[in-house]
Amino acid sequence: DAGVIQSPRHEVTEMGQEVTLRCKPISGHNSLFWYRQTMMRGLELLIYFNNNVPIDDSGMPEDRFSAKMPNASFSTLKIQPSEPRDSAVYFCASTLRTSGRADNEQFFGPGTRLTVL
Amino acid sequence: DAKTTQPNSMESNEEEPVHLPCNHSTISGTDYIHWYRQLPSQGPEYVIHGLTSNVNNRMASLAIAEDRKSSTLILHRATLRDAAVYYCSPDAGGTSYGKLTFGQGTILTVHP
Repeated sequence: DAGVIQSPRHEVTEMGQEVTLRCKPISGHNSLFWYRQTMMRGLELLIYFNNNVPIDDSGMPEDRFSAKMPNASFSTLKIQPSEPRDSAVYFCASTLRTSGRADNEQFFGPGTRLTVL
Repeated sequence: DAKTTQPNSMESNEEEPVHLPCNHSTISGTDYIHWYRQLPSQGPEYVIHGLTSNVNNRMASLAIAEDRKSSTLILHRATLRDAAVYYCSPDAGGTSYGKLTFGQGTILTVHP
């Protein structure tokens, strides 16, 4: 398996523009997580899905951020409009979650480095 | 969510053992303790996890205190490739769906 795939790997955009980050989880995994990492705030969980359904989006910073998972093999994180403070590395991770168990390894993608000018 | 406390940084010499501590005094009885590490310019990667008993795998060992309020990740023989940021995180079962909460982690420096 190719692992978790994220695109693009780097994105540079100007303030006010729409940004879409993409993630392909590992085939067969049923849970998907979006994280953001900055020097100031560390690694933060933004939102996670189980069986394509958003479970907890309490980490999404504000309404400018939205995430979708239209099917089991694809998810997007959109920022509209983008601001310089959104500059960060965004990671996607996936895991196979079995009912009632909390011991599943999360596999992280390589991340998308976003720079908003 | 359970909170974790880790030292900001630790240093080791190559081929020596390293003990990385984590305090998770607010952990609940069903929370697993996970350890991940992040190499420079990469996404985090899984290291090990456990619930109550000590655990071993090819990468490391995990020693969990009897009261489960703390744990220690043990790298038996550190190599230069082990230089990374190490995170411990509780992961609750049931409705949490594997949610992890990462603190600031411990930056491990390994000297040749």
